[in-house]
Amino acid sequence: DAGVIQSPRHEVTEMGQEVTLRCKPISGHDYLFWYRQTMMRGLELLIYFNNNVPIDDSGMPEDRFSAKMPNASFSTLKIQPSEPRDSAVYFCASSHGLAGSQETQYFGPGTRLLVL
Amino acid sequence: AQKITQTQPGMFVQEKEAVTLDCTYDTSDPSYGLFWYKQPSSGEMIFLIYQGSYDQQNATEGRYSLNFQKARKSANLVISASQLGDSAMYFCAMREGGDSGYALNFGKGTSLLVTP
Repeated sequence: DAGVIQSPRHEVTEMGQEVTLRCKPISGHDYLFWYRQTMMRGLELLIYFNNNVPIDDSGMPEDRFSAKMPNASFSTLKIQPSEPRDSAVYFCASSHGLAGSQETQYFGPGTRLLVL
Repeated sequence: AQKITQTQPGMFVQEKEAVTLDCTYDTSDPSYGLFWYKQPSSGEMIFLIYQGSYDQQNATEGRYSLNFQKARKSANLVISASQLGDSAMYFCAMREGGDSGYALNFGKGTSLLVTP
């Protein structure tokens, strides 16, 4: 089975530009999570979805960030406008459920974003 | 307050030796899950092992085992017979249920270097 797929793997953009990160979860997984990793703050949750519905977006830093999940196999994280402090590695993860080992979250390879 | 504490920023171990990476957690929720992930220099987050709060036995996965001491709120990762490929960052994470949502709270990580 294919794991979580993210694209692009690397993104370099200029301040003020729109950035869209994409994620395809593992087939059959009902939960999708977006995390951000920085040296200063470590790994932190931005938002997660259950059956395509956003459940908790309290980690989204500000209105410049938005996330959607139009169907069970695709999600996007958009930053508009981007700022240098958004530079980080963005991970998408998915899990099958919330009971026992089914709650294990499997991570994609991440998108390394650099905003100049 | 820090939910997950990893007190060892860096560890060294000789090849073929066993190593223990420490993790303590803080929660008042009776139902929670504990995870360990490995992040090699390539950047991906690789799931290693899971322990549920109600599991009676310590989790094991190949060379990885989790020393779960519920009363002490510790979930140390033991890697037996270390290999050079085990050199990586290791993150302990906890999922709390209920009102806390189902996001993972990560520790700051321990950098492990396996020497020949």
